[in-house]
Amino acid sequence: ENVLTQSPGTLSLAPGARASLSCRASQSVGKNYLAWYQQKPGQAPRLLIYHASTRATGVPDRFSGSGSGTDFTLTVSRLEPEDFAVYYCSQYATSPWTFGQGTKVEIK
Amino acid sequence: QITLKESGPTLVKTTQTLTLNCTFSGFSLSTTAVGVGWIRQPPGKALEWLAFIYWDDDKQYSPSLQSRLTITKDSSKNQVVLTMTNMDPVDTGTYFCAHGSGWLLDVWGKGTTVTVSS
Repeated sequence: ENVLTQSPGTLSLAPGARASLSCRASQSVGKNYLAWYQQKPGQAPRLLIYHASTRATGVPDRFSGSGSGTDFTLTVSRLEPEDFAVYYCSQYATSPWTFGQGTKVEIK
Repeated sequence: QITLKESGPTLVKTTQTLTLNCTFSGFSLSTTAVGVGWIRQPPGKALEWLAFIYWDDDKQYSPSLQSRLTITKDSSKNQVVLTMTNMDPVDTGTYFCAHGSGWLLDVWGKGTTVTVSS
């Protein structure tokens, strides 16, 4: 299976700061079928980015995804209070689908 | 608007079989390239993909859990059912179902919490 490793585990930033989250795959992700999800406590994950760089419907343009092959990045250009959450990357190119272990973005 | 809702027992005993229902609206599982997946999340831990069923009845399972899982669909009732046998306390967590657009899990249900106790 394609193991996804996210870094850092926790990111402590102030509102207004820029956040960069990394996701590294153990094998190349075919067709860049890499997604990013946001999860807040007690809620289901929300799709933010798919195909590595396409924003899902209704996602603010401060969220952007980049990368290809085995290295991917989610960037939040300026953190808003509602952006403090846990973020997961996931590949859906091959079965089994896999998720990273998550990056928690917390208020500094 | 696509919505999904998980339902099932909140408490099961060790070795019992868990049966979870995912009832959805806003799409049809008879439509090409549509699917439904199941994902779980132990308390305080990461997401774990379990199974996926495709519009043409193609089924995919987590290799580590394949022997314990069965996924089925009833397109006429807009339901997908996941069964997991031989439940153990490590299976405690929140279980989500999600709409698959192709293989992308794009819309998720709110989840249902399952506790496994002896």
